[in-house]
Parts: sequence; structure tokens; C-alpha cells
Amino acid sequence: DQQVKQNSPSLSVQEGRISILNCDYTNSMFDYFLWYKKYPAEGPTFLISISSIKDKNEDGRFTVFLNKSAKHLSLHIVPSQPGDSAVYFCAASAAKRSGNTGKLIFGQGTTLQVKP
Amino acid sequence: DVKVTQSSRYLVKRTGEKVFLECVQDMDHENMFWYRQDPGLGLRLIYFSYDVKMKEKGDIPEGYSVSREKKERFSLILESASTNQTSMYLCASSSPGQRDLNYGYTFGSGTRLTVV
Repeated sequence: DQQVKQNSPSLSVQEGRISILNCDYTNSMFDYFLWYKKYPAEGPTFLISISSIKDKNEDGRFTVFLNKSAKHLSLHIVPSQPGDSAVYFCAASAAKRSGNTGKLIFGQGTTLQVKP
Repeated sequence: DVKVTQSSRYLVKRTGEKVFLECVQDMDHENMFWYRQDPGLGLRLIYFSYDVKMKEKGDIPEGYSVSREKKERFSLILESASTNQTSMYLCASSSPGQRDLNYGYTFGSGTRLTVV
């Protein structure tokens, strides 16, 4: 069973426009959510995170929104740039259950293509 | 610059071979993880370790084992490689104390393993 789901395998947007990547989760124990970005032949790198006590976190062009009642989060990139083209992974953790290990559960990933 | 180093970027092995994937981190992190990345399936946790000589099964441990004899090194072992283990393997490390930041997950660049 996939506890973290990214239902859109790919997304294509024009440079300068907004990119919205979505993520759904099923485990109500998750209390910390992260987005990672991955270029080909490289490991994923941390992008932005949000705690379940918040509904929004912003860092420059990147904003993550959390809707706990819907068990849904989204990543907004404004404005999108060609260098943002990559695979984006949503991840979640339940601190109380994972305790000291910080184990993350990842979604399937969404490939974003930003066209010049 | 802190890093997680995976010993090989590309590997080609024959069915039935015993395969060792090595991962070393220089951040003195307690936690280490092995994931595999497959199209449409995202990152799936194989095994993780939260201390030397400690290991826990992840979501897909079948066909794999791990070894952590030293804090900085976490090895993934394919006891008898099969074609369905062809994948991108990613090692990561983290420290429990970094939970309030981004879980401090640092990934290696990955090993692309092909089993023929």
C-alpha cells in the first residue's frame, strides 16, 4: 500500500508560469513533510519542508501548502525556470512512530519539465 | 563539504552473483538508509540502520541484506542477484538531532545496477 502518492507522473509548464506539484498521503500519523528534487545521475536534494502544525511554508520561489483534513500537500514554484526541470519527490514521516530513525516514506515522484 | 559517497556509479553483474554496494558518510550521522528508485514506484526503503551493528527491514528487504560494522559505512548486499534487482540504488544518512530542520537526509549520487 502506497502511503504517499504522487498521482501525476509528469508535468510540463512554460518558463515564468506557476508549477504545482501535488501529493496525497493516507497515514494520519505523518507529522512532517518534505519535498526533494532529483536530477538525473544525482541523488535527491532537500528542497523544502513543513510541519503538521503549519499549513504553509515559503522559501523564495518555493511554497509548500498542507491541508491536513484532506491529507494533501502541494508544492508551488513561482516563477518556474528551466533549471527547475527535475523529478520531485514528496516524503513524509511520523516522528512518534519512527522515533530516532527519522525514516521517510517517499512518493512515486513527478517529472517536471519547464519549457523556455 | 559533507557528503555521502557510493563506491560505484554504474555496475553490471550477472544473475546469481553476490553483489556488494558500499556507502560511506563523513557527517558522523547515526542513521543510514538504502533505497531503490524505479520508474513509477519512487523511492522504496530496503533497509536502514540507526546505530552500528543495528539494522531494520524497510518495505522491500527480500533478496537483500546489510552490514554496518562502522558508523560511517553501510553496505547493501544482494545475496544472489536477479534481473528484477536492476535498479538505481540510493544511500542516505541522517542525524536524529536534525528533525526540526529537514531530517538531515543527505543522499549519495546513486549506483545504477544492471543485472544480466
